[in-house]
Amino acid sequence: EIVLTQSPGTLSLSPGERVTLSCRASQSVSNNYLAWYQQKPGQAPTLLIYGASSRATGIPDRFSGSGSGTDFTLNIRRLEPEDFAVYYCHQYGGSPRTFGQGTKLEIK
Amino acid sequence: EVQLVESGGGLVKPGESLRITCAASGFMFRSYNMNWVRQAPGKGLEWVASITSNNGHISYADSVRGRFTISRDNARSSLYLQMNSLSAEDTAVYFCARERQLLWHIDYWGQGTLVTVSS
Repeated sequence: EIVLTQSPGTLSLSPGERVTLSCRASQSVSNNYLAWYQQKPGQAPTLLIYGASSRATGIPDRFSGSGSGTDFTLNIRRLEPEDFAVYYCHQYGGSPRTFGQGTKLEIK
Repeated sequence: EVQLVESGGGLVKPGESLRITCAASGFMFRSYNMNWVRQAPGKGLEWVASITSNNGHISYADSVRGRFTISRDNARSSLYLQMNSLSAEDTAVYFCARERQLLWHIDYWGQGTLVTVSS
């Protein structure tokens, strides 16, 4: 099973700042099948990025993903108030599918 | 518009069974692989089970294998999860999730149904 480790666990930032979230896999993710989701309290996750770097439909271009192999990042430039949420990385290249433990982005 | 609506959650006692349902609409259900993903209160996401579009391949997480059964009825555009021998560790919101054709990532999620296992 591929274990995904996200860092940091919590980030306190202000609107307008730039942020980089990290996701490290215990082994190489096949075909860079790595996705990022945003989840707000009481809501279902929303797809942001798939295939490590492809932005999902309707996602603002301030969100970008990069990385390959075992190291992946989600970048958000110019944080908006609605971006404060929990972010999960998810690998679907190996069986079973696994998720990272999440990074909580909170308003400073 | 893609819609996934889960139902059937509730409070059950340890050892009991429950079946939850996901009603799909807004897309050709029979053409998509589907998944169940759960989230314990205050915790992260855990993949539970998946089923291919034609029922040809089914997979389970180790934590539920032998106790849970995923199934689907393409004629009714519905996905099911039969959960037996439930324990407190199964308490979670259960999400129905669609897999994008040929790209394999989960692209749509339902709002979830809460299953609480407690005596």
